[in-house]
Amino acid sequence: GESVGLHLPTLSVQEGDNSIINCAYSNSASDYFIWYKQESGKGPQFIIDIRSNMDKRQGQRVTVLLNKTVKHLSLQIAATQPGDSAVYFCAERYGNNRLAFGKGNQVVVIP
Amino acid sequence: DGGITQSPKYLFRKEGQNVTLSCEQNLNHDAMYWYRQDPGQGLRLIYYSQIVNDFQKGDIAEGYSVSREKKESFPLTVTSAQKNPTAFYLCASSISAGENQPQHFGDGTRLSIL
Repeated sequence: GESVGLHLPTLSVQEGDNSIINCAYSNSASDYFIWYKQESGKGPQFIIDIRSNMDKRQGQRVTVLLNKTVKHLSLQIAATQPGDSAVYFCAERYGNNRLAFGKGNQVVVIP
Repeated sequence: DGGITQSPKYLFRKEGQNVTLSCEQNLNHDAMYWYRQDPGQGLRLIYYSQIVNDFQKGDIAEGYSVSREKKESFPLTVTSAQKNPTAFYLCASSISAGENQPQHFGDGTRLSIL
């Protein structure tokens, strides 16, 4: 089927290395941020979230960093595995849990 | 298993025809959402519902309609007024609309024009 990753910025990473995916958000009033992973032909899968009163949050093999000064969000994946190959989206919350999504970054893991 | 079920996975529409996409959730979530995804694009909000019998237009509601008669169901109708309906449609839900809670997604319906 048609890939959601078409024409997206692509990060190629060697298996076992760490990956860093970056996202710039637009609204300085946004108070909640989420990272999603989307594999081809599937819906986005929740990875990790962070509130604006935090600057770092860790999950299993993932860390999200938030820099409100420059409106920047990053997702770090430790020891990248082939199953991490996907499109990664950031989203920022505005209004009543309405989310604005970035266009996404394609991650390709090289075995 | 709890989750969001979208059906059908693939759908074809003839010119001038209305089609309805199904979205069902058994997560007991109050809020539900419909998004459209085009290749290389972020998700765009079509309609959302914060509670049963209530819904609001999103950013690209023209040519679409929804209903929310039951908490677990939020069907989307793509009408003949939507001139460019070919896209991947995603349904999501969250515990409520007013709190910082993630939205959880179904696996989408791909709509194409015959």
